[in-house]
Amino acid sequence: AQSVTQPDIHITVSEGASLELRCNYSYGATPYLFWYVQSPGQGLQLLLKYFSGDTLVQGIKGFEAEFKRSQSSFNLRKPSVHWSDAAEYFCAVGVFTGGGNKLTFGTGTQLKVEL
Amino acid sequence: DAGVIQSPRHEVTEMGQEVTLRCKPISGHDYLFWYRQTMMRGLELLIYFNNNVPIDDSGMPEDRFSAKMPNASFSTLKIQPSEPRDSAVYFCASQGLGAGEQYFGPGTRLTVT
Repeated sequence: AQSVTQPDIHITVSEGASLELRCNYSYGATPYLFWYVQSPGQGLQLLLKYFSGDTLVQGIKGFEAEFKRSQSSFNLRKPSVHWSDAAEYFCAVGVFTGGGNKLTFGTGTQLKVEL
Repeated sequence: DAGVIQSPRHEVTEMGQEVTLRCKPISGHDYLFWYRQTMMRGLELLIYFNNNVPIDDSGMPEDRFSAKMPNASFSTLKIQPSEPRDSAVYFCASQGLGAGEQYFGPGTRLTVT
């Protein structure tokens, strides 16, 4: 069965600093990988996704992620963090079953941004 | 498009009562998912539907939980009887055909006292 590990429960960065959130997955085949963001009291919003092709994917809000098969990782990055990026970030691996995408989520990383 | 709509946004009920959570997926989406989010267990997939038919309910915790999708625009998740350990945020998500992303609703925060 697939699994996702987000080793950092909390991360604090200063506004304007760069950010990297770690994600490691376990899955026997080529994974479908996602990063979602959740603001307090809100649902999850997709930041970016990787299905195949270029291993560096661009997402919304200036985020990008790089798929590294050799490391089973899909880390999320942003060169300069804004205060509005404070939220919880979830990495997920998707398994296609009959056309639907069954997602397994990591435990999330809570990002705090210091002004 | 209004996105995925869930109601109610908040529900407080007493142990033993029946609770019904509602979801309206994005029009045209073929897949509907119900998730539960708790501090202890994170985000868990409970059940998902394809064209109104339940495909995988292996995440439903026990027989007290049931889900239905009578038509393409409406789904319910019912808990009967409810227990304090059911307190969580329940999300509904929908997905179009193909390798698309899931779109999440705002969630229903359920508190069982």
